[in-house]
Amino acid sequence: KAGVTQTPRYLIKTRGQQVTLSCSPISGHRSVSWYQQTPGQGLQFLFEYFSETQRNKGNFPGRFSGRQFSNSRSEMNVSTLELGDSALYLCASSQDRPRTDTQYFGPGTRLTVL
Amino acid sequence: DQQVKQNSPSLSVQEGRISILNCDYTNSMFDYFLWYKKYPAEGPTFLISISSIKDKNEDGRFTVFLNKSAKHLSLHIVPSQPGDSAVYFCAASEASGTYKYIFGTGTRLKVLA
Repeated sequence: KAGVTQTPRYLIKTRGQQVTLSCSPISGHRSVSWYQQTPGQGLQFLFEYFSETQRNKGNFPGRFSGRQFSNSRSEMNVSTLELGDSALYLCASSQDRPRTDTQYFGPGTRLTVL
Repeated sequence: DQQVKQNSPSLSVQEGRISILNCDYTNSMFDYFLWYKKYPAEGPTFLISISSIKDKNEDGRFTVFLNKSAKHLSLHIVPSQPGDSAVYFCAASEASGTYKYIFGTGTRLKVLA
């Protein structure tokens, strides 16, 4: 079974631009969560989608948004990029309820904002 | 406010010895805890979990201990191997049913051969 895939793996943008990251979960997994990893901050939860609905949201500004498609693939979008948005963005999938179901992470997308 | 804290950013241990990674939390509503391991250029991989109804869970060389009164958990790796060198994250989730984990900032473990 293929793992969680994320595209692109690396991205360089400039301040003010917007960016869209993609995540394909493991086949059969319906929950997709997004995290931001920065040095010193660990993994910070962005949001979680289940069956095309946002089920939970972290404490990030509205510039960060996401969506999930009927095939469970998910995208996250960051508008009006800031230097502080430079980070590794990870998505994780699980079968249903990520609270107790094991989450499987993708390799991440490294975003650099110049 | 960091609800899950890993106060040691790094740890070095000799091969064959015990590695002990610590994690403290502040939210008394947390009732499910996990440890993840992360190698460079890869996503975190699940290692072991523990529910608050237990105080210990073992899986091979890995044991997690939970002290609810102290709001503290620890991961023991015995014996440590060079392949265990990675960043370890602890994570916690609440009993309220929100579907998110709160992660710590990670501890980089280096096992010396």
